[in-house]
Amino acid sequence: SQTIHQWPATLVQPVGSPLSLECTVEGTSNPNLYWYRQAAGRGLQLLFYSVGIGQISSEVPQNLSASRPQDRQFILSSKKLLLSDSGFYLCAWKIGGSYGYTFGSGTRLTVV
Amino acid sequence: SQKIEQNSEALNIQEGKTATLTCNYTNYSPAYLQWYRQDPGRGPVFLLLIRENEKEKRKERLKVTFDTTLKQSLFHITASQPADSATYLCALDIGRTGFQKLVFGTGTRLLVSP
Repeated sequence: SQTIHQWPATLVQPVGSPLSLECTVEGTSNPNLYWYRQAAGRGLQLLFYSVGIGQISSEVPQNLSASRPQDRQFILSSKKLLLSDSGFYLCAWKIGGSYGYTFGSGTRLTVV
Repeated sequence: SQKIEQNSEALNIQEGKTATLTCNYTNYSPAYLQWYRQDPGRGPVFLLLIRENEKEKRKERLKVTFDTTLKQSLFHITASQPADSATYLCALDIGRTGFQKLVFGTGTRLLVSP
């Protein structure tokens, strides 16, 4: 079956520290992968998406970067976190056809 | 500018009634329009997808309409139940084939009272 894993579930990090969030999918090959962020009380903002290994499209210039080192692995990183990086980070993949997108369970990041 | 607008105010209805949520968009030409449900602290869950050449789609108690002339979609939940209480997100699937991405509205919170 097709599943998406995202970890950790919660994270508290000091300002200026690095960040690495990982997302992996199972049961499919060559998926389109996406990173979204949802700030408190706000809508989902698309940060990055990838259509294949090593390919990254950035939607919003900011303090974050993404990488796709393997077909089913998508990583969100930052060298130095800002307070404004706090939020709920969601990984998603596009199944295609009439099945929409599937989202991971999310990481709640609080930068203190 | 490009916008996807949903009612920011919560929609309160009584159990058994039909809930109708609205999604309006400007300056997009989506291939698909999708609706998602999001519960607090969780990721969105896909509900329905409707294509640009479809007027209406149904799934159990859910119905979606799509008017590309008005640039509007309506999302209906019939015989609503307290368990339907959640935030409902409208999203547009845009971009060329293989390079599509999902752009979301801000969502409408639905509260169904027993």
